[in-house]
Amino acid sequence: QQKVQQSPESLIVPEGGMASLNCTFSDRNSQYFWWYRQHSGEGPKALMSIFSNGDKKEGRFTAHLNKASLHVSLHIKDSQPSDSALYFCADMSNYNVLYFGSGTKLTVEP
Amino acid sequence: DPKIIQKPKYLVAVTGSEKILICEQYLGHNAMYWYRQSAKKPLEFMFSYSYQKLMDNQTASSRFQPQSSKKNHLDLQITALKPDDSATYFCASSQDRQAEQFFGPGTRLTVL
Repeated sequence: QQKVQQSPESLIVPEGGMASLNCTFSDRNSQYFWWYRQHSGEGPKALMSIFSNGDKKEGRFTAHLNKASLHVSLHIKDSQPSDSALYFCADMSNYNVLYFGSGTKLTVEP
Repeated sequence: DPKIIQKPKYLVAVTGSEKILICEQYLGHNAMYWYRQSAKKPLEFMFSYSYQKLMDNQTASSRFQPQSSKKNHLDLQITALKPDDSATYFCASSQDRQAEQFFGPGTRLTVL
């Protein structure tokens, strides 16, 4: 059973548009979540973390966490072609292990 | 300068052979990790080390053995290689628990 389910598998948005990525996690004890981004040929790089219910905004990126519904999302405002990448949500266990979702391939079209 | 070095970047091996993947971090972190990424599976946790001690192992096979000779080194030895081991292996590090994990550029392993 996969710990984190991520959707959609792929997403195409126009430049300047809003991209919305979603994850559902299965462990009600999960407390700490990360969003990572991976450009082609590179290692993943952390975008932001969230551990409290509600929204967390960092620049054009807003993460939302709802522990009651086991849901975490990422919204990218004013998407740029440079945002085109693989995006992963990750559930961080108490032992600092990251359980990644299957990823969303985001393409921002100029 | 790269803060996490992984060597080699590409590696081709034959079935049944043994290889060592090298990882060095220059971030002064106390925890290091190995993850694997393949076409069949998303990023998958393998091992975590803290202060050179194994903290968690979620790799079913004993063919995978991490080796920590120095605080900032965590190599990965893989024996009896199989084609299914073909993947990109990422090393990561963090300052402590629940801190951001920084990933290296990866070693892409192909087993023929």
